Amino acid sequence: DTGVSQDPRHKITKRGQNVTFRCDPISEHNRLYWYRQTLGQGPEFLTYFQNEAQLEKSRLLSDRFSAERPKGSFSTLEIQRTEQGDSAMYLCASSLSGGNQPQHFGDGTRLSIL
Amino acid sequence: GENVEQHPSTLSVQEGDSAVIKCTYSDSASNYFPWYKQELGKRPQLIIDIRSNVGEKKDQRIAVTLNKTAKHFSLHITETQPEDSAVYFCAAIPDTGGFKTIFGAGTRLFVKA
Repeated sequence: DTGVSQDPRHKITKRGQNVTFRCDPISEHNRLYWYRQTLGQGPEFLTYFQNEAQLEKSRLLSDRFSAERPKGSFSTLEIQRTEQGDSAMYLCASSLSGGNQPQHFGDGTRLSIL
Repeated sequence: GENVEQHPSTLSVQEGDSAVIKCTYSDSASNYFPWYKQELGKRPQLIIDIRSNVGEKKDQRIAVTLNKTAKHFSLHITETQPEDSAVYFCAAIPDTGGFKTIFGAGTRLFVKA
């Protein structure tokens, strides 16, 4: 197992376009988290899945953002009608369940809005 | 809302010296406190963590201390090496259904050879 993988690594798009990112967690991990990280800041929590159920969403996650994990394995994060302020690194992490568990991060998808 | 403050934002030490990074959290429900190291352009890597029922934990040159009463925890790196240079993030997580992780803003550590 190679750890958490994210695709694509980089995405450049024009303002107003929709983008979708994919995250494949470590295979035995049933928790999955999405974060956003801007330059010089720590990761900001966006949302969390336990298997296929989305159990927590940050107030940062506006109506333009939607995340899914339909079969409890990979997850997608979609941003509709992108804005300049959406430019950031989008990180995915996964962990085992059973109380608090160490989260393992992917390399992230860097989104640049032109 | 929940908040984690991290200090200092930048830390420069001479190789072989110790480095200390401090974090303060606001959510009293937090009971798990991991530390991550992030090198430029790479993913955050977990380096050590501590749970609220423990006051101190050590792993070779790295140690973490926790004071739940004061709501602060610290990372100690001894005998620093140039490869320790990176950004370090602390985080606080409650043991509730959402496991909403709150990260500090990070400390950029420079270790001079």
